[in-house]
Amino acid sequence: AQSVTQLDSQVPVFEEAPVELRCNYSSSVSVYLFWYVQYPNQGLQLLLKYLSGSTLVKGINGFEAEFNKSQTSFHLRKPSVHISDTAEYFCAVSGLTGGFKTIFGAGTRLFVKA
Amino acid sequence: GAVVSQHPSWVICKSGTSVKIECRSLDFQATTMFWYRQFPKQSLMLMATSNEGSKATYEQGVEKDKFLINHASLTLSTLTVTSAHPEDSSFYICSADLGQGYNEQFFGPGTRLTVL
Repeated sequence: AQSVTQLDSQVPVFEEAPVELRCNYSSSVSVYLFWYVQYPNQGLQLLLKYLSGSTLVKGINGFEAEFNKSQTSFHLRKPSVHISDTAEYFCAVSGLTGGFKTIFGAGTRLFVKA
Repeated sequence: GAVVSQHPSWVICKSGTSVKIECRSLDFQATTMFWYRQFPKQSLMLMATSNEGSKATYEQGVEKDKFLINHASLTLSTLTVTSAHPEDSSFYICSADLGQGYNEQFFGPGTRLTVL
């Protein structure tokens, strides 16, 4: 079975500071990894995804993530955050197990302070 | 890009009534759609996988008679919450799959259900 662990439920950070949101997964098969952002009362927006190839993935809004197979991690990073980045961020995994169903982590609330 | 819509965006109903939520893929055909439920400040929980022309596959613990799913066409799936009660109040989100080879789901904007 697949699972996703987001290690931080909340991450407060000052504007223009760097941020890292942590995500670890477990799976017995090859996986596809995703990061989504959710603003209040809205659906999910895809930030970036790892399917194969280069382990460093660049996404929208200046975010990037690195797939580390040995550490089973897919941490999300941004070198300089803005107030508008305040939102809920979800790490997700899908794979051959369960017919490509997507399993979501519990989410990390990023709160950017002025 | 692939766009998924949901209707309504929010609904308030009385306890005991049934509510239907629509999920549409606007610019692509979706063989498979997924329905999620999200409680406040929590993650998305997969409720069921909806396949066009066949019965939905429900996750463990989800009552299929309570949450009726119909996927009658390649662009429309509906979720009907039957005899709704206050504990069914939640944010319901659907997603659609482009099919094999794409490995990505596209999410609708969600429907906020409040049962009084």
